[in-house]
Amino acid sequence: DVKVTQSSRYLVKRTGEKVFLECVQDMDHENMFWYRQDPGLGLRLIYFSYDVKMKEKGDIPEGYSVSREKKERFSLILESASTNQTSMYLCASSPTGKGSYNEQFFGPGTRLTVL
Amino acid sequence: GEDVEQSLFLSVREGDSSVINCTYTDSSSTYLYWYKQEPGAGLQLLTYIFSNMDMKQDQRLTVLLNKKDKHLSLRIADTQTGDSAIYFCADPTGTASKLTFGTGTRLQVTL
Repeated sequence: DVKVTQSSRYLVKRTGEKVFLECVQDMDHENMFWYRQDPGLGLRLIYFSYDVKMKEKGDIPEGYSVSREKKERFSLILESASTNQTSMYLCASSPTGKGSYNEQFFGPGTRLTVL
Repeated sequence: GEDVEQSLFLSVREGDSSVINCTYTDSSSTYLYWYKQEPGAGLQLLTYIFSNMDMKQDQRLTVLLNKKDKHLSLRIADTQTGDSAIYFCADPTGTASKLTFGTGTRLQVTL
């Protein structure tokens, strides 16, 4: 069964802290994605990775970085958390080699609150 | 850039049909997707349509695609309380399997 897991469901951090959000997939997918979800704004892509050690900026990368040292793991890093980064963070993965069909598989999300 | 728009909220009575609409701007897509997000959960693929189709039916779900107007809709027949969720349409963007998601439509089903 397809599975994407995220390290925490809920996280509370203080302004200025360094925050790590971890995502692991067990489907041997090449592509991995980090989104944030805010009411009325839908899902916005922060970063994605199409291979180990490869990354590309999405639509809102400011204030974030990522790491992909192993194929199954994609980490999102908030170098210095700020209150405007309070949000729901969703990780997803997808395979390549399916032609133009590109279903993404999502984790359950991490609700991050920055105080 | 790519823009995908949806209305934010829809309320229907149990047993009625729901219609959720979506407009997109990237006309080169070969597949378009509908995802469902239940409360407290991530997104799950609900259905998809290939761009050379006008309509796809899957049990209670009907997807209509109007490529000329770049309009996609999802109809849920006999809506149940378990259909209460946020529904996102998604359109492929650029390369590397990226998707652009709409703002999401929250469907509320009342008794």
